Amino acid sequence: DVKVTQSSRYLVKRTGEKVFLECVQDMDHENMFWYRQDPGLGLRLIYFSYDVKMKEKGDIPEGYSVSREKKERFSLILESASTNQTSMYLCASSFIFVWGLAGRLSYNEQFFGPGTRLTVL
Amino acid sequence: AQSVTQPDIHITVSEGASLELRCNYSYGATPYLFWYVQSPGQGLQLLLKYFSGDTLVQGIKGFEAEFKRSQSSFNLRKPSVHWSDAAEYFCAVLFRRAGNNRKLIWGLGTSLAVNP
Repeated sequence: DVKVTQSSRYLVKRTGEKVFLECVQDMDHENMFWYRQDPGLGLRLIYFSYDVKMKEKGDIPEGYSVSREKKERFSLILESASTNQTSMYLCASSFIFVWGLAGRLSYNEQFFGPGTRLTVL
Repeated sequence: AQSVTQPDIHITVSEGASLELRCNYSYGATPYLFWYVQSPGQGLQLLLKYFSGDTLVQGIKGFEAEFKRSQSSFNLRKPSVHWSDAAEYFCAVLFRRAGNNRKLIWGLGTSLAVNP
């Protein structure tokens, strides 16, 4: 079974602190994703990575950065945590598969970790 | 613009009753379609997906979904709901963008409560 683990289930930090959320997957997936989930807003993509040291901004990257030094690990960094970053953070990973005549890489189904509920006081 | 709509925010059904959760999308071509479930305090788990072929797809936990191109819909169904099905259900649609890029767009979710 695919396993995606996140370093913490619950985290409480203070405003201005630097926060690291770690995600590890054990299925050699190329793609990794960070989402935040808020009531009434669904899942919103923060950043994703399709290869080591590669990253792309999602829909709400402001206030966040990411790091992917190894294929299995994808870190989300809050440089200076703020109260509006209190949320559930979900990490996901997926294989890349080739589709279409153009043969470009794309997404496949995503496998999710259990989430980290971050509270910023 | 490409979008995914789950019209029902909350649904309550009795245990043993049938269930249908709606998902509609706006897109010209046939996208890839997914249904995920999130149990309380957990991450998301894939229930089923549609890429091509038979428009009625079977998933885990006794769920099925039907892709209807004419209605731009991918509704999730279960003939008899169990109390353990109480969860949040998300529809997701993979759209093709310019330059062969892809974007996965999520619905806002439907919260299912099951009465005993």
